[in-house]
Amino acid sequence: NAGVTQTPKFQVLKTGQSMTLQCAQDMNHEYMSWYRQDPGMGLRLIHYSVGAGITDQGEVPNGYNVSRSTTEDFPLRLLSAAPSQTSVYFCASSYSTSLDHTEAFFGQGTRLTVV
Amino acid sequence: GENVEQHPSTLSVQEGDSAVIKCTYSDSASNYFPWYKQELGKRPQLIIDIRSNVGEKKDQRIAVTLNKTAKHFSLHITETQPEDSAVYFCAAPSGGSYIPTFGRGTSLIVHP
Repeated sequence: NAGVTQTPKFQVLKTGQSMTLQCAQDMNHEYMSWYRQDPGMGLRLIHYSVGAGITDQGEVPNGYNVSRSTTEDFPLRLLSAAPSQTSVYFCASSYSTSLDHTEAFFGQGTRLTVV
Repeated sequence: GENVEQHPSTLSVQEGDSAVIKCTYSDSASNYFPWYKQELGKRPQLIIDIRSNVGEKKDQRIAVTLNKTAKHFSLHITETQPEDSAVYFCAAPSGGSYIPTFGRGTSLIVHP
């Protein structure tokens, strides 16, 4: 049971390039989300999914796309990288039970630098 | 959507002192309040959580209190140790979803 696996761990992009951050979980969690972490700003929600085939925007969705074709995978695509997208990105997953909410499990993070 | 405010942004204490971090939330329907600890260069991990049917929960040196009327909850760490130094985040569910909204984090520094 690997939990939430995120790749790559580090990435440097040139302005205008595109790339995909990968996220996979093996816990059969229905909820998955992407956050970016910037100094003093906490964890801000980019996009999230409540199940396969369902995605929605979070607080800071501009410049990013997501898809959820399977329960396990939730990739984040940067369409045309900008320096403002330099950040640390975290993928997270969680599930619900009859007791309602449960904790979020995070991937190891991706440190992205756009030059 | 949910709005979570967290204070202070930085907290510096001496080893053995207590530390308190406070959060407020906006959605009165929220009923699950987790706290995460993030050590330098690591991922956030859950340290304690509380549901709205209880007012306080303890786990060894850490405790969380919840005041639903005032819509605030707090993390209490007693007998702080240098290994408690980290960034702590509070969270609350976003609207009717199971996706958490996080506070901006508190950097706790425990001086030996």
